[in-house]
Amino acid sequence: DIQMTQSPASLSASLGETVTIQCQASEDIYSGLAWYQQKPGKSPQLLIYGASSLQDGVPSRFSGSGSGTQYSLKISSMQTEDEGVYFCQQGLKYPLTFGSGTKLEIK
Amino acid sequence: QVQLKESGPGLVQASETLSLTCTVSGFSLTSYHVSWVRQPPGKGLEWMGRIRSGGSTDYNSALKSRLSISRDTSKSQVLLKMNSLQTEDTAIYYCTRLGYGSYWYFDFWGPGTMVTVSS
Repeated sequence: DIQMTQSPASLSASLGETVTIQCQASEDIYSGLAWYQQKPGKSPQLLIYGASSLQDGVPSRFSGSGSGTQYSLKISSMQTEDEGVYFCQQGLKYPLTFGSGTKLEIK
Repeated sequence: QVQLKESGPGLVQASETLSLTCTVSGFSLTSYHVSWVRQPPGKGLEWMGRIRSGGSTDYNSALKSRLSISRDTSKSQVLLKMNSLQTEDTAIYYCTRLGYGSYWYFDFWGPGTMVTVSS
């Protein structure tokens, strides 16, 4: 199975700050990477797929990049509604696997 | 609009069988794959298995011996059955639609249903 390693496990950011979350795959996943946001008590919501494609309705301050085994999610200007847990997921091979999550809070 | 909704018992006894239903609307089960994903309290996400648009199934090898996914297209429902439950199976169970654009991702999720396995 492809292992997904996320970092950091948690971080806090000030309003307007740029935030970056990293995700590393145990093998090349050829940009088959998705990012999700999960707010407390809610189901995850798709933000990014194909490493860099923005899901419909997702604010443009979210962006994804990367290739091979290294990927990142960037929030260009932190907002209060961006608090939550972020997960990466590889979509290349079954079983589909997730990172362990990054908890993002407002400083 | 696309919607998925899970339903089932909130409490199951250890060693018994869990049965969950996912009722979908806004899309056809014959056009999209549907997956089950679970999340133990305060923990990460685990893909459990999927039923393809054609009706065949694939399972996570860690659960394969205990898990069965089926569907009733006339009712727009996907059914999950998992036997020999243990306390470690306590989790929120999500029904998801699989999107595909060269890679697989979960583009719509149900609100989830909490299942507690009691010893």
